Amino acid sequence: DAGVIQSPRHEVTEMGQEVTLRCKPISGHNSLFWYRQTMMRGLELLIYFNNNVPIDDSGMPEDRFSAKMPNASFSTLKIQPSEPRDSAVYFCASSTLATGSNEQFFGPGTRLTVL
Amino acid sequence: RKEVEQDPGPFNVPEGATVAFNCTYSNSASQSFFWYRQDCRKEPKLLMSVYSSGNEDGRFTAQLNRASQYISLLIRDSKLSDSATYLCVVKGGATNKLIFGTGTLLAVQP
Repeated sequence: DAGVIQSPRHEVTEMGQEVTLRCKPISGHNSLFWYRQTMMRGLELLIYFNNNVPIDDSGMPEDRFSAKMPNASFSTLKIQPSEPRDSAVYFCASSTLATGSNEQFFGPGTRLTVL
Repeated sequence: RKEVEQDPGPFNVPEGATVAFNCTYSNSASQSFFWYRQDCRKEPKLLMSVYSSGNEDGRFTAQLNRASQYISLLIRDSKLSDSATYLCVVKGGATNKLIFGTGTLLAVQP
């Protein structure tokens, strides 16, 4: 079975450009999470969705960041305009809402470099 | 204060050694606890859940002390392949949101 799929795997862009990261969760999972990981701050939750509805976006750093989940099999994280301090690895993860099932399955991540 | 705190390490140990990692959490309402493992330049993966009575999975033993808000992971007979970053993870009550510690780096040397 396919795991969580993220694209692109690597992105290098210039400051001010728009960046769109994509995620396909595991089929049947109804929770989706976007994380950012840096050496300084570790793994931080940006936003998560249950059944395609945003539940908690308190981790989104500022208005330059936005996330959507138009359907159960696709989500995007957009940064517009991008800044050098946005350079990080962005992970998408998915899980089920079933009681007792807490494991989150992570995608391979998108390594973003903003010059 | 961070919600989940870990010693970042690195822990450099020889093969066959026993090593222990500790973690503290600040939210006394936390309900579920986990250890995730992250290899270099890879995604985090669940290593094991942590239960109140303590649990073991092969060479790995996890313990939880709710009174002290403290979680531990013990690795016995460490292998070169155990080299990774170990992330302490805590989940709140009503939410399925996980809070990750910054991780402890383990390097097992021949």
